[in-house]
Amino acid sequence: GDSVTQMEGPVTLSEEAFLTINCTYTATGYPSLFWYVQYPGEGLQLLLKATKADDKGSNKGFEATYRKETTSFHLEKGSVQVSDSAVYFCALDRDDKIIFGKGTRLHILP
Amino acid sequence: DAGITQSPRHKVTETGTPVTLRCHQTENHRYMYWYRQDPGHGLRLIHYSYGVKDTDKGEVSDGYSVSRSKTEDFLLTLESATSSQTSVYFCAISEEGKIDTQYFGPGTRLTVL
Repeated sequence: GDSVTQMEGPVTLSEEAFLTINCTYTATGYPSLFWYVQYPGEGLQLLLKATKADDKGSNKGFEATYRKETTSFHLEKGSVQVSDSAVYFCALDRDDKIIFGKGTRLHILP
Repeated sequence: DAGITQSPRHKVTETGTPVTLRCHQTENHRYMYWYRQDPGHGLRLIHYSYGVKDTDKGEVSDGYSVSRSKTEDFLLTLESATSSQTSVYFCAISEEGKIDTQYFGPGTRLTVL
């Protein structure tokens, strides 16, 4: 079945470092792809999405490009802040549901 | 923020007791979902609803039942709680035609002793 695989965490970076969180997917057809973020003690929030190949989703300085040839949707940010510390989930949609990866915890040190 | 509340926010119960968690929305969205979040597993779908009295099973539905008698409320019931059901439970909603964007509630932390 469809699935999402993302890099294991935790990822620890210093403030202003460059961030990449890898995500690959397995799916039939061409699903939409998402990144959700979960801040401590909260539910998930949609961070960005892309609906077709070569689309780039972006929000709050984060970007991810839908790569059909590598079945990937890696999350990047050029300069992270302490406030970016959270758990990040890669996901895809299938029928009426969203399938989530296991999440990657990100720690940003001041 | 989407109007989604969950109750209770925290609950401790004993093995074998019934437990009901409530999700309430004020957005009039058609779709509602129950997930559980566990370390190493991410979010897993338990059940979802695509309308009043219309529900379907998700990935990890065993031991859980749901009901939706009104658009705004989606109840998750553990008929006889087990320690393996200790988890954080999240409700989510989405609009018809926009199911790719889900709005999440604040979560319920359930501990089964």
